[in-house]
Amino acid sequence: AQRVTQPEKLLSVFKGAPVELKCNYSYSGSPELFWYVQYSRQRLQLLLRHISRESIKGFTADLNKGETSFHLKKPFAQEEDSAMYYCNVTDSWGKLQFGAGTQVVVTP
Amino acid sequence: DAGVIQSPRHEVTEMGQEVTLRCKPISGHDYLFWYRQTMMRGLELLIYFNNNVPIDDSGMPEDRFSAKMPNASFSTLKIQPSEPRDSAVYFCASSRRGGPYEQYFGPGTRLTVT
Repeated sequence: AQRVTQPEKLLSVFKGAPVELKCNYSYSGSPELFWYVQYSRQRLQLLLRHISRESIKGFTADLNKGETSFHLKKPFAQEEDSAMYYCNVTDSWGKLQFGAGTQVVVTP
Repeated sequence: DAGVIQSPRHEVTEMGQEVTLRCKPISGHDYLFWYRQTMMRGLELLIYFNNNVPIDDSGMPEDRFSAKMPNASFSTLKIQPSEPRDSAVYFCASSRRGGPYEQYFGPGTRLTVT
């Protein structure tokens, strides 16, 4: 069965500390992976996608096919990174699934 | 472009009442998605449409829920009768194409059923 797992519901870090949000998936074929973010009182929006191999707002995510993971990382967390983060997996047929989400709280 | 538009932004209703949520996707987007967000379950895909046709409604929780897309610029999600456990934020999203393409989300409708 297709599954996306974000094991941490809440991640609390200090400003300037590294932050890593875990995402593991169980999918057949070659899925596409994304991270979406929802800041307070804002719409859910795309943060980054694995095919772009880009760094957005200091965040990067590496797809590890062997471990079926797509963890989101940032070396130095900022207060404005406080938000809800969702891992998203989409298969070749367009079937998609979001993880349960991880709430990140960055404290000064 | 104003992005995906949803109405109402907030809805409070009593158990047993019918609730209709509305969505206007971004012009030119062929795919429309309805999601439900709760603390317990996170973000759940309820149903999605391609060119106004429902493609996958396996996420619709039960027969009390129904969704329509009469044309390319409008969709509704209806709950009849509503129950307190339906309280959640309902999001609509659209994308230019299906598969692994960015989805653009609306602001959501916060539904409270008392």
